[in-house]
Amino acid sequence: GNSVTQMEGPVTLSEEAFLTINCTYTATGYPSLFWYVQYPGEGLQLLLKATKADDKGSNKGFEATYRKETTSFHLEKGSVQVSDSAVYFCALSFAGSARQLTFGSGTQLTVLP
Amino acid sequence: NAGVTQTPKFQVLKTGQSMTLQCAQDMNHNSMYWYRQDPGMGLRLIYYSASEGTTDKGEVPNGYNVSRLNKREFSLRLESAAPSQTSVYFCASSVGQGGNQPQHFGDGTRLSIL
Repeated sequence: GNSVTQMEGPVTLSEEAFLTINCTYTATGYPSLFWYVQYPGEGLQLLLKATKADDKGSNKGFEATYRKETTSFHLEKGSVQVSDSAVYFCALSFAGSARQLTFGSGTQLTVLP
Repeated sequence: NAGVTQTPKFQVLKTGQSMTLQCAQDMNHNSMYWYRQDPGMGLRLIYYSASEGTTDKGEVPNGYNVSRLNKREFSLRLESAAPSQTSVYFCASSVGQGGNQPQHFGDGTRLSIL
């Protein structure tokens, strides 16, 4: 079956540090890949997505590149802010898939001032 | 600008009690979903409704039932609550079935079963 593996958290960084959250997937075929973010007490929000190999998704200074050869979709940001503190979820789905999103377990990020 | 609205936000039940979680979306979306979120396990799909009038089981459907009341509303029912159902429940919606369609989430219902 399909699965998504994320680096275990929690991750604690100082403001303006570089962020990488690793995400790899196992799937038959070529899924679309997503990063969702969950702020405290809220639901998940789509952060960025990529639909085919070598696509780069970007939003709010975050980036992730769809790497088919390594089945990865690592999330990066060059300079994190305190407001980026949240839980980040990597997910995949297939076009026409009956069951939509398969999520990773989430990575808690805390950014200290 | 409501998006996906879930009620209630918090609930405490005793084992064996029943309750219904409500979800409504105002984006004219065709597909709706119920997930549960447990520590260290991400989100797991309970049930989904690809379109009005249809419902299907997800990864963890046991102990739950759903009703797609109309295009806007999708409810989740616990007939006889068990402590293992203590979780945060999220409803989501999307334009339609398809891998590129982002899902929009509600703020969640935090449910404790004693």
